[in-house]
Amino acid sequence: GQNIDQPTEMTATEGAIVQINCTYQTSGFNGLFWYQQHAGEAPTFLSYNVLDGLEEKGRFSSFLSRSKGYSYLLLKELQMKDSASYLCAVMDSNYQLIWGAGTKLIIKP
Amino acid sequence: DGGITQSPKYLFRKEGQNVTLSCEQNLNHDAMYWYRQDPGQGLRLIYYSQIVNDFQKGDIAEGYSVSREKKESFPLTVTSAQKNPTAFYLCASRPGQGEADTQYFGPGTRLTVL
Repeated sequence: GQNIDQPTEMTATEGAIVQINCTYQTSGFNGLFWYQQHAGEAPTFLSYNVLDGLEEKGRFSSFLSRSKGYSYLLLKELQMKDSASYLCAVMDSNYQLIWGAGTKLIIKP
Repeated sequence: DGGITQSPKYLFRKEGQNVTLSCEQNLNHDAMYWYRQDPGQGLRLIYYSQIVNDFQKGDIAEGYSVSREKKESFPLTVTSAQKNPTAFYLCASRPGQGEADTQYFGPGTRLTVL
């Protein structure tokens, strides 16, 4: 079966760094996506990785290891507005997205 | 402005009634999707369409129906056969077919069955 695992909830302090992990087992792989979702709102795209390595985009970075079925999203210089759920999704061989349940990130002052 | 619109944002329905959720996009995207989101769960695919006049069932299609008569529009009907319809419904679109493009989401419709 297809499976995406990520922690349910994480807590971090404003100004700090946090790493959200995602492991996956899917039928085929056409890339891994990270989305941010604030409560009651739609997900918004953060990053896309299809090759191994680190993609940096401002305060956010995303890493992929295809051989390990593993990705992480790194958030630096945390701000209160970063409090949200972070969704990991893998595009399978049929170009459909398989979604993790999301990680709720709580930022404390 | 280009984007995806869903209406209404909040919808209340009595048990036994069918209800249709609207999704419109002016991004000229070929592919459109309907997802359901429940607390503590990932997005689950209900139906998707890769081209006008064609659509396929997703993982949880039972109790739902769709149509794709126009490229811009992909309405979802929640029928009385859906046992637990209260949820947050998200519509998304993607530019290409068979390409690893990002999905873009509408603002969502929160459906509550009374």
